[in-house]
Amino acid sequence: DIRMTQSPSSLSASVGDRVTITCRASQSISTYLNWYQQKSGKAPELLIYATSSLQSGVPSRFSGSVSGTDFTLTISSLQPEDFATYYCQQSYSTPRTFGQGTKVEIQ
Amino acid sequence: EVQLVESGGTLVQPGGCLRLSCAGSGLIFTNYWMHWVRQVPGEGLVWVSRISADGNITNYADSVKGRFTISRDNAKNTLFLQMNSLKAEDTAVYYCSTEPKAAPGRQLSYWGQGTLVTVSS
Repeated sequence: DIRMTQSPSSLSASVGDRVTITCRASQSISTYLNWYQQKSGKAPELLIYATSSLQSGVPSRFSGSVSGTDFTLTISSLQPEDFATYYCQQSYSTPRTFGQGTKVEIQ
Repeated sequence: EVQLVESGGTLVQPGGCLRLSCAGSGLIFTNYWMHWVRQVPGEGLVWVSRISADGNITNYADSVKGRFTISRDNAKNTLFLQMNSLKAEDTAVYYCSTEPKAAPGRQLSYWGQGTLVTVSS
């Protein structure tokens, strides 16, 4: 199985800060990496697919990139509504493993 | 508007069985692979199973293989998860989700609101 190691597990930042979350795959997954946002008590929502494509309706302050097997989700200017937990997921092969999640708290 | 509505979650005893349903509307159901993902309250997301748009291909996480069966009724736009030999560790919120056929990232584009399964005596 492909292991997805996500870091950090939590972070605290201020409104307007640039926030970066990283997900490392245990093997090559090409660009089959997606990011989801989950707010407390709600279902996850797709943010970014195929490493760097923004899902329709998602604000442009969210972006995704890759270097080798290290994938990054960046929020360029954190907003209060971005308080949530973020998950990466590889879709290269089954089982479609998720990262452990990163909880973003607003300072 | 796309809607996925899960149902069937309840309290069940260890060793028992349960069938979850996920009713889709506002989408062409046969354009999507369908997935089940579960989440223990307060913990992370765990992929459970998927089924192809025509129902011919299924995959499972090792933790549920041989106990859970995914299926779909395309005429009724409904996805199912038959859960047998339930264990306490199957306790979770179960979400259904869609993967568009030929999606560039094989991403899970729509999600239901989830249904809670509790396995306890």
